[in-house]
Amino acid sequence: AQKVTQAQTEISVVEKEDVTLDCVYETRDTTYYLFWYKQPPSGELVFLIRRNSFDEQNEISGRYSWNFQKSTSSFNFTITASQVVDSAVYFCALSALTHPRNNNDMRFGAGTRLTVKP
Amino acid sequence: KAGVTQTPRYLIKTRGQQVTLSCSPISGHRSVSWYQQTPGQGLQFLFEYFSETQRNKGNFPGRFSGRQFSNSRSEMNVSTLELGDSALYLCASSSYATGDTEAFFGQGTRLTVV
Repeated sequence: AQKVTQAQTEISVVEKEDVTLDCVYETRDTTYYLFWYKQPPSGELVFLIRRNSFDEQNEISGRYSWNFQKSTSSFNFTITASQVVDSAVYFCALSALTHPRNNNDMRFGAGTRLTVKP
Repeated sequence: KAGVTQTPRYLIKTRGQQVTLSCSPISGHRSVSWYQQTPGQGLQFLFEYFSETQRNKGNFPGRFSGRQFSNSRSEMNVSTLELGDSALYLCASSSYATGDTEAFFGQGTRLTVV
């Protein structure tokens, strides 16, 4: 079974604070992909990052960074020096390649609503 | 490069009616997936099409169906609408045959069933 848990339903911070969004996943597959998406009020999901299960390197992209730890099945997302424009709902997702067919069935967490106040 | 286009953006239907939603993927993308988003259930996978074939299906009743055309455009249909079908329906396209790529989402169709 595949499952993604985002325990933080809502987080509120003041601009310029750092904030970490937690993501814990479950899967029996050895090959899988983890994603983070941002959903602004307009509704579309904006892709932020993809990580495969064989690449545990952390990644930094500007103010965003991701910490992937297979030992704890976690893929946490940190925003440094948050800005009001970061306010959105953030989703963590898991996609496992199920043999014999590959598919794009992503399992999403419940999402974390981040509010950044000026 | 145009993004994923979903039409219509908003729709109001009456219980018992049927509805068809459309999704045009990014040019060159052959995989189209559909998701339902509700406050109670979150984002749930409906089905995925690749080269006009349904490759995978989520746990939804048979009232939910879809198809994909030779130009990769996809439609989903919901028959005998129920109040609980009110949701944001999101379509995602990706370029490769496997899950080894990111999916790009459209802005969704917000369906309200009254």
